[in-house]
Amino acid sequence: GAVVSQHPSWVICKSGTSVKIECRSLDFQATTMFWYRQFPKQSLMLMATSNEGSKATYEQGVEKDKFLINHASLTLSTLTVTSAHPEDSSFYICSARDRQREPSDTQYFGPGTRLTVL
Amino acid sequence: SQQGEEDPQALSIQEGENATMNCSYKTSINNLQWYRQNSGRGLVHLILIRSNEREKHSGRLRVTLDTSKKSSSLLITASRAADTASYFCATVRTSGTYKYIFGTGTRLKVLA
Repeated sequence: GAVVSQHPSWVICKSGTSVKIECRSLDFQATTMFWYRQFPKQSLMLMATSNEGSKATYEQGVEKDKFLINHASLTLSTLTVTSAHPEDSSFYICSARDRQREPSDTQYFGPGTRLTVL
Repeated sequence: SQQGEEDPQALSIQEGENATMNCSYKTSINNLQWYRQNSGRGLVHLILIRSNEREKHSGRLRVTLDTSKKSSSLLITASRAADTASYFCATVRTSGTYKYIFGTGTRLKVLA
């Protein structure tokens, strides 16, 4: 149980285009979803936290107009990288938390999406 | 930065040996969790230890927590080539908004 999927697993796009990444909790309802960014050989950096039906909370330094997050249902959150540039190339990972499942403090991670902007 | 630190940054051992990774953090925590990440993949949850626990076991994994030193260690016994991965600790603070604070990670390589 507690499976999280991401789509696509990798994407290559041209500079200036927008890219949408989906994160789904497959067998549980995610009260909260999280989006992380990871550079090679580095740790995960939290970008934003989203609760179903409300606006996402962005970490300091993360541009909310650049990284649009929508959490329309208890099983789906999307991250849209708008007007992508090469510096946005990275590994994006989502996670989900189910407060009804023990341990309630645990996040379950998707497999990640590799974004390359040319 | 709130980020925790892990050491060593990289560790290379022979199959069958034990691997020990350490994690230090900065704030009071509710619990500490360890994750494994294979190259280019997502994180897999390994084990959670609560702030009132000192040691926990799961299979070949042994985790200790010392809240007075704000540190934790992950021991993998009888390592296998399949254990090759990056290992991260993540803490949940006692105060403020719920979120993970990740350590810097340890890259473990187990040689067959």
